[in-house]
Amino acid sequence: TQLLEQSPQFLSIQEGENLTVYCNSSSVFSSLQWYRQEPGEGPVLLVTVVTGGEVKKLKRLTFQFGDARKDSSLHITAAQPGDTGLYLCAGAIRNAGNMLTFGGGTRLMVKP
Amino acid sequence: EAGVAQSPRYKIIEKRQSVAFWCNPISGHATLYWYQQILGQGPKLLIQFQNNGVVDDSQLPKDRFSAERLKGVDSTLKIQPAKLEDSAVYLCASSWDRSDTEAFFGQGTRLTVV
Repeated sequence: TQLLEQSPQFLSIQEGENLTVYCNSSSVFSSLQWYRQEPGEGPVLLVTVVTGGEVKKLKRLTFQFGDARKDSSLHITAAQPGDTGLYLCAGAIRNAGNMLTFGGGTRLMVKP
Repeated sequence: EAGVAQSPRYKIIEKRQSVAFWCNPISGHATLYWYQQILGQGPKLLIQFQNNGVVDDSQLPKDRFSAERLKGVDSTLKIQPAKLEDSAVYLCASSWDRSDTEAFFGQGTRLTVV
């Protein structure tokens, strides 16, 4: 059983569509991060959220941290083929040494 | 600024052989992590170092895996003997310190055990 559950696991959409990826847990996190990973590469950090209810925008990507700091969502507006990749959420628990625990990932494919 | 360097990029070995991976973190980063990423899954933390000390190795299969960071800079991860289920990408990451959770990852080493 994973500490962080991501849904959906796979998503295939057409260019221009919107999508939302979810990251859920029963644990409270001191911070939560979203990474994007392309084949053959390591994960690259997109954003860190630390405050319950926080919303951050990065161009067409909107990240939200749940009020109770147990869940998060990533919304992509008008998806483009360049958004294709594996999206990973990762949470840190302060009294567990701030170790980063990853979800299983959402594999997104955006078709032109 | 140079990123996290890992070598080799790819390794193919037979089961029961041994293998070692090397990681050089970003200069000045005190915290170093080794993750195992099996195809189609998220990374799983194997071990976390703070300088040359181990913070957590609770998910490291210690009967076959070992890791060290003797001088608090670069690190090696060893598997001996390897099993088929060890086939995965081994990712190294670093951050400024334990209070900083923004980790920077290397490209990883893809291990295939046949």
